[in-house]
Amino acid sequence: GAVVSQHPSRVICKSGTSVKIECRSLDFQATTMFWYRQFPKQSLMLMATSNEGSKATYEQGVEKDKFLINHASLTLSTLTVTSAHPEDSSFYICSVPSGGGTFYNEQFFGPGTRLTVL
Amino acid sequence: SQELEQSPQSLIVQEGKNLTINCTSSKTLYGLYWYKQKYGEGLIFLMMLQKGGEEKSHEKITAKLDEKKQQSSLHITASQPSHAGIYLCGADKAAGNKLTFGGGTRVLVKP
Repeated sequence: GAVVSQHPSRVICKSGTSVKIECRSLDFQATTMFWYRQFPKQSLMLMATSNEGSKATYEQGVEKDKFLINHASLTLSTLTVTSAHPEDSSFYICSVPSGGGTFYNEQFFGPGTRLTVL
Repeated sequence: SQELEQSPQSLIVQEGKNLTINCTSSKTLYGLYWYKQKYGEGLIFLMMLQKGGEEKSHEKITAKLDEKKQQSSLHITASQPSHAGIYLCGADKAAGNKLTFGGGTRVLVKP
């Protein structure tokens, strides 16, 4: 299967700082990538869709000014958590759909980034 | 929004026994995915189902989607400790690969 990497795998930061998380598709180009968030003992919740060449689209309730997404290239999307607070502590996972984002394609998930805000 | 309910929330099985996890949707499923996750790690793709009545198998894991495309089951035969983890079903959110996930089923296999 396709390989998706995330960096860093784990980050601890102070409240008020910004943290950037990278998601890379190593096997194929992706015009679309997705960002999910998972709180402890909970399921994944879709945060936003990262679109190459255009603005990201955010799910209801997700602050676009707080979670900045940049789809820098066909293999890289970054999620920046701005002015992080302890409630932003979570497990952030990206996914890359195969097939260029068309319907019902296999999705490959990154290994996740655990963010802890002190 | 499309709600996905998984059951059971957790189960403990003896090694060698079979287990089944269910995933039920309030709406017709256009694409249903099964993933396995170990705590604090990424998701491992297991299977994807699209057609009513479809069934797929890989090694000891079989997934089915009912004819109405509102319920899916994941069955593991002769479970092993390596099958332990959290199993998640995800449904395509009507278009474009956005997935809505069920609450997950935590599986523990006792040797």
